[in-house]
Amino acid sequence: DTGVSQDPRHKITKRGQNVTFRCDPISEHNRLYWYRQTLGQGPEFLTYFQNEAQLEKSRLLSDRFSAERPKGSFSTLEIQRTEQGDSAMYLCASSPGRDTNEKLFFGSGTQLSVL
Amino acid sequence: DAKTTQPNSMESNEEEPVHLPCNHSTISGTDYIHWYRQLPSQGPEYVIHGLTSNVNNRMASLAIAEDRKSSTLILHRATLRDAAVYYCILRDRATSGTYKYIFGTGTRLKVLA
Repeated sequence: DTGVSQDPRHKITKRGQNVTFRCDPISEHNRLYWYRQTLGQGPEFLTYFQNEAQLEKSRLLSDRFSAERPKGSFSTLEIQRTEQGDSAMYLCASSPGRDTNEKLFFGSGTQLSVL
Repeated sequence: DAKTTQPNSMESNEEEPVHLPCNHSTISGTDYIHWYRQLPSQGPEYVIHGLTSNVNNRMASLAIAEDRKSSTLILHRATLRDAAVYYCILRDRATSGTYKYIFGTGTRLKVLA
């Protein structure tokens, strides 16, 4: 069990560019979550996958954001035409998918800075 | 929106017990109370969760009020490594019928040497 892995750890980009982040959940975890966290705030829910199906999307996830989880394994979060307000820590979490109260395992996040 | 309220910050002396309060007056009968903590530059990590009775694990204890409208996370002997933001969370039922965890702003715990 190597934990939830996120790549890259840090990303600096210019406004208007597209960025993509990757999350590798713990092996055999069916549920995968994306959160966004800005300085001084708690993580904000963005979206949730059960295997490859995206079951829930927050209204925070504008049409510039898209997330995928092909084959129910790793997931990617893409932000198109980045804006300075997108600067945040993007966190991925996974859980086994056997219990509605099971604990989430978080990665260390990808810190995005939009210049 | 988060269904819990917590103090913004607390301080504790090293090796003393810490009681972190949380109010959740709108809790439903089936909602579990979850606690996570976030150390600097890391993602949140699970601490403990419970439904009605008090819960203990190697990290902490969770004391739940009889009416379940509040709870307290207890760190029995705070260490410098316990300095973190502590989040008290109730699940939120998503439109898909599944559940998601909604974080508030948490309590920033400072441990004094």
